[in-house]
Amino acid sequence: NFMLTQPHSVSESPGKTVTISCTGSSGSIASNYVQWYQQRPGSAPTTVIYEDNQRPSGVPDRFSGSIDSSSNSASLTISGLKTEDEADYYCQSYDSSNHGVFGGGTKLTVL
Amino acid sequence: EVQLVESGGGLVKPGGSLRLSCAASGFTFSSYSMNWVRQAPGKGLEWVSSISSSSSYIYYADSVKGRFTISRDNAKNSLYLQMNSLRAEDTAVYYCARDLTGLYWFDPWGQGTLVTVSS
Repeated sequence: NFMLTQPHSVSESPGKTVTISCTGSSGSIASNYVQWYQQRPGSAPTTVIYEDNQRPSGVPDRFSGSIDSSSNSASLTISGLKTEDEADYYCQSYDSSNHGVFGGGTKLTVL
Repeated sequence: EVQLVESGGGLVKPGGSLRLSCAASGFTFSSYSMNWVRQAPGKGLEWVSSISSSSSYIYYADSVKGRFTISRDNAKNSLYLQMNSLRAEDTAVYYCARDLTGLYWFDPWGQGTLVTVSS
């Protein structure tokens, strides 16, 4: 089964840049689009990146996404960190059986 | 405004049943695939099931296949999840989410409804 693996947690200081990785277990992560969701405590997830590297309207350009086929991974990069960016982040795609797949989530701490 | 509102959650005993509903508004419901995603307390997101716009294609996570049934009523702009033979491990907040592109981009999500399976 296709799985996505994320680091459990990352931390960085305000104003800095952080990158969260999402590694595919098999096949090519580039085969299907990857989305990234932000989830704050007590709230539903919202999209910060869709289709690998696209930003929905309203999401600041501090958020960017990329795919690295050589490492079979996707990445979410947040630059100019703000305290409001502190949240859980999930990568997501789907597999060859048309099953949705989520990474385990990464808790971002901005301190 | 695009909106999804779940309802039907609650406390149920192991082995029991529950039916969740998701009311959609602000968009042409019949044009989109829809999904259920759940989140156990303190845990990550888990995709549960998807249904295509005309109900022709339905998929389930292995963890719920044979116990849960997804359905929709396009005339009522509503999505449903019938959950049978519930287990403690089904305890979670259940979200409905629109598939915006047909390629599993979930946007938006509802606020979620909590299902607790406990004796």
